[in-house]
Amino acid sequence: QVQLQESGPGLVKPSQSLSLTCSVSGGSISSGGYYWSWIRQHPGKGLEWIGFISDSGSAFYNPSLKSRVTISGDTSKNLFSLKLNSVTAADTAVYYCARAPPQGSSGWPIEHWGQGTLVTVSS
Amino acid sequence: DIQMTQSPSSLSASVGDRVTITCRASQSISSYLSWYQQKPGKAPKLLIYAASTLQSGVPSRFNGSESGTDFTLTISSLQPEDFATYFCQQSYRILWTFGQGTKVEIK
Repeated sequence: QVQLQESGPGLVKPSQSLSLTCSVSGGSISSGGYYWSWIRQHPGKGLEWIGFISDSGSAFYNPSLKSRVTISGDTSKNLFSLKLNSVTAADTAVYYCARAPPQGSSGWPIEHWGQGTLVTVSS
Repeated sequence: DIQMTQSPSSLSASVGDRVTITCRASQSISSYLSWYQQKPGKAPKLLIYAASTLQSGVPSRFNGSESGTDFTLTISSLQPEDFATYFCQQSYRILWTFGQGTKVEIK
């Protein structure tokens, strides 16, 4: 059973960069055709897809964040990362990493989620 | 972007009630629709994918259906552990989008 665990600073200053990592166990990020995703949830609000990286390393981003976001993978450590630049208070949210199956899978759902990590942007 | 309009935003129900939540897509999404349950402080949990397929381990009282661009999650007999927030999500376009959520509260 795959497990995902987010880690990173819980507090980031405005205008700085937010960096999170997602450690994966029970499966390899570089095989199986899976999509390794970042999703966030503003306090008390709904869910927003940030982007994902495929097992081949191709990344796709939400256009609303594309100019500020990078998702990358480290196959040697079996983890993937999120970097969000020039953060503001509006980026305060719980950030989840997650896994979706290969794109041809029925319905293409988000099957597995990390527990989430709260990142607060404040000086 | 494909907009997912979910209703109601909240509802109050009693144990044993039948509960229905609806999600409408702004365009055709085929059956690329999933439903998730989220409890406070926890990550969302996949309940249903491909509009009507029950995820392994999810109780059979949960049911999903579709009619065109309208999708429905039904809980046939609400149980105490079902009080939570439910989200729909489309994955037809790579800009994945979610409904606003429906909070199911105890009456």
